[in-house]
Amino acid sequence: AIQMTQSPSSLSASVGDRVTITCRASQGIRNDLGWYQQKPGKAPEVLIYGASSLQSGVPSRFSGSGSGTDFTLTISSLQPEDFATYYCLQDYDYPWTFGQGTKVEIK
Amino acid sequence: QLQLQESGPGLVKPSETLSLTCTVSGGSVSRSRYYWGWIRQAPGKGLEWIGTIYYIGRTYYNSSLKSRVTISVDTSNNQFSLKLSSVTAADTAVYFCARYSSASGGLSYFDYWGQGTLVTVSS
Repeated sequence: AIQMTQSPSSLSASVGDRVTITCRASQGIRNDLGWYQQKPGKAPEVLIYGASSLQSGVPSRFSGSGSGTDFTLTISSLQPEDFATYYCLQDYDYPWTFGQGTKVEIK
Repeated sequence: QLQLQESGPGLVKPSETLSLTCTVSGGSVSRSRYYWGWIRQAPGKGLEWIGTIYYIGRTYYNSSLKSRVTISVDTSNNQFSLKLSSVTAADTAVYFCARYSSASGGLSYFDYWGQGTLVTVSS
């Protein structure tokens, strides 16, 4: 199975900060990667798919980049509603695998 | 607006079979380009993909669960289901159903999710 190593596992940041989360795949996955945001008690929601495509309705402060094995989710200016846990998901090969998650907390 | 709703017992005894159904409204499970999946999350833990089905019955399972999991689709009732056999406490989790929108070029993703249902395995 493809391992997705996500880092950091948690971070503390302030409103307005630029935040970067990374995912590294144990083998090349082209651009078959999505980023999901999950708030407590809620289902995940897709932010980015195809590594860099912004889902409709998602604010433009979210962006994704990368291809092959290294991927990045960037929040350009953190807003109060962005405090949540973020997961990457590779759907290049079965079994699909999630990263371990990154919890973004308020500093 | 597409909606997905999980249903099933919230408590299952060890060694028994966990059975959940996801009812889809506002859209058809038989539409091409869409797959239907199950994802779970143990308390305080991350997300785990369980498996995915296409409306013609083609299934894909997580190899870690493959011998115990069955996903099926009922097009007449616009539902799909999960069965997980021989459960243990490690299967206690919130179970989500979700729609996977498939497109070429890697432009695929889970775009609609159910709210999730907690299943506890305990005697």
